[in-house]
Order: sequence, then structure tokens, then C-alpha cells
Amino acid sequence: GDSVTQMEGPVTLSEEAFLTINCTYTATGYPSLFWYVQYPGEGLQLLLKATKADDKGSNKGFEATYRKETTSFHLEKGSVQVSDSAVYFCALRDPYNQGGKLIFGQGTELSVKP
Amino acid sequence: DAGVTQSPTHLIKTRGQQVTLRCSPISGHKSVSWYQQVLGQGPQFIFQYYEKEERGRGNFPDRFSARQFPNYSSELNVNALLLGDSALYLCASSLDATGGYGYTFGSGTRLTVV
Repeated sequence: GDSVTQMEGPVTLSEEAFLTINCTYTATGYPSLFWYVQYPGEGLQLLLKATKADDKGSNKGFEATYRKETTSFHLEKGSVQVSDSAVYFCALRDPYNQGGKLIFGQGTELSVKP
Repeated sequence: DAGVTQSPTHLIKTRGQQVTLRCSPISGHKSVSWYQQVLGQGPQFIFQYYEKEERGRGNFPDRFSARQFPNYSSELNVNALLLGDSALYLCASSLDATGGYGYTFGSGTRLTVV
């Protein structure tokens, strides 16, 4: 079945460092891909999304490109801030095979130190 | 506009008891989905309801049930609680059943089973 795999955390960076969080997926259809962020004690917030191959999602300095050939959707940011400390989830939605449900990776915790 | 509201925010139950969690979607959203997030893992899909009908069910035992009301709010019921049911339960609302217009998550209900 469809699945999402993320790099394990925690990831610890210094402020202004470059961030990459790897995400790969397995899907039989044509999924949409998402990155969600979860701050401590809160629910999930949509960070960015891409709906088809080669689309680039971007928001708040974060970017991710939908790569069908490598089945990847890696999250990047050029210069992280302490306020970016959170847990990041990669997810897919495959409406032709799975209806409206989201399939999440296990999450990657990011800690940014001043 | 109010976001997705969930109640209660926290609760503690004893093994074997029953619990009901509640969710009110964003005004105009007709679909509600429920997810279970065990500590340190990604959310797992439990149910999706659209226009009061079940549209999807995840791999959870029959102890889990849900329903959606005419005003599109929803309840998740869990019977015969086990220690392993301790988790953050998230509700997400969307305009339609496919989620093509995006999902908005609530802050969740933290259930602890002792």
C-alpha cells in the first residue's frame, strides 16, 4: 500500500544553517504531497503542498519539489530560525486509491539552537 | 471564522472505560476525518465522514466508532479502552470528501488511559 518514509530525527542545527529533511513515498496512483508542521502542544499546520510531478511548493522560506522519478519530496530551507523548532511531517493523499485520507510519515523533530 | 474545535482538550480514563471525543468543523466544511497520533509517531487515519456517511475507515478495531451530525460536527467513540489507546486524537475538516481543497486540523484531544 501507499506509504511515506522520512529521515529520522532529531535534527539539531544552529540558527541560519541550511535545512534538508528527506521524504520518499510509495504510491500506486498520482498522489498529492504535503509537508505539515506541529509545534509543541498543537495540532498540525499545513506548511506547503504540491499536486503533480515537478511542482514546487513553498511557504515561509521552506521549499519542496515533487520528484516523481525519485519518488521524493524533500523539505529545504536556506536559513533556519529558532522559531522553526517543531516536528515536521511529510504526507501524501492518493484520492484514486485511498480516497480522502492522508498518509503520514513518522515525523522529524527539528531543534534550532541560537 | 473559528477553526476546527475539539473537546475536551485533555482527559484521563481507566482501562475498560468508554470515551467520546467531539469535533466541530470549520463553517462550510462538510467532511470530518479522525486521526490517532501516538507519541513519537505520525498520525494514523481512523475514519472519514462526509455528509453524515462514512467514506473511509482505517485499520482500527471495532471498539472505535464515529458519527457525523446534520450540522457536520462529529463524535469519535472508543469502547473498552486499552493502555495503547493513549494518544493525541486529531480531527481534520475539509470542504469535500477528496480533500482537494485542503484540510484544517484541530489542536487535538490528549487521551491518557491508566
